[in-house]
Amino acid sequence: EVQVVESGGGLVQPGGSLRLSCAASGFTFSGYNMKWVRQAPGKGLEWVSYISSSGSTIYYADSVKGRFTISRDNAKNSLYLQMNSLRAEDTAVYYCVRGRGNYYYIDVWGKGTTVTVSS
Amino acid sequence: QTVVTQEPSFSVSPGGTVTLTCGLSSGSVSTNYYPSWYQQTPGQPPRTLIYNTNTRSSGVPDRFSGSILGNKAALTITGAQADDESDYYCMVYLGSGIWVFGGGTKLTVL
Repeated sequence: EVQVVESGGGLVQPGGSLRLSCAASGFTFSGYNMKWVRQAPGKGLEWVSYISSSGSTIYYADSVKGRFTISRDNAKNSLYLQMNSLRAEDTAVYYCVRGRGNYYYIDVWGKGTTVTVSS
Repeated sequence: QTVVTQEPSFSVSPGGTVTLTCGLSSGSVSTNYYPSWYQQTPGQPPRTLIYNTNTRSSGVPDRFSGSILGNKAALTITGAQADDESDYYCMVYLGSGIWVFGGGTKLTVL
């Protein structure tokens, strides 16, 4: 079964850091680009970051640029999101998703991990 | 900054047809933006419905269809059912490594 499972969410103070992980299984992880998408409580979806299959190409939404770092370890079938200088507005459910490069869409969603930034 | 626009809410009667749209604050949505559509029920992750404007994802019933209507992408549900009551999001690729979601449409079936 194709799946991605996020972990690492939790409660963190403003200005703090957190590292999210995503474990992929059921598909050849190294053959797919990956993204992080988040959803603030009661709000819509927001694309956060993209990483190509090899890790050579990376993009960020303006809202997280300079604070978040996406990375991957294809040998471990894992995706990561290092989040620094966290703000209250980063509070959200963070979804690890598989991207399909040919048509620029998302075809696999994780269940998400919750990040709460609060003092 | 480009904003992707969707109707905040819509309602449809059971068995009816509804079309949700996805536009841009500046310009038109065309197939070049590879619009895709996602369905989300409360407490659940989104589910992929449509990609590349009009291609249904695996397992999606054919009552869901995608198209370009005028200057917007559109999601049409034909023969709406009670369990179609969900939030629907479109996403477009603006190029240069930028993906943007619309604000979502809350669909009520009543």
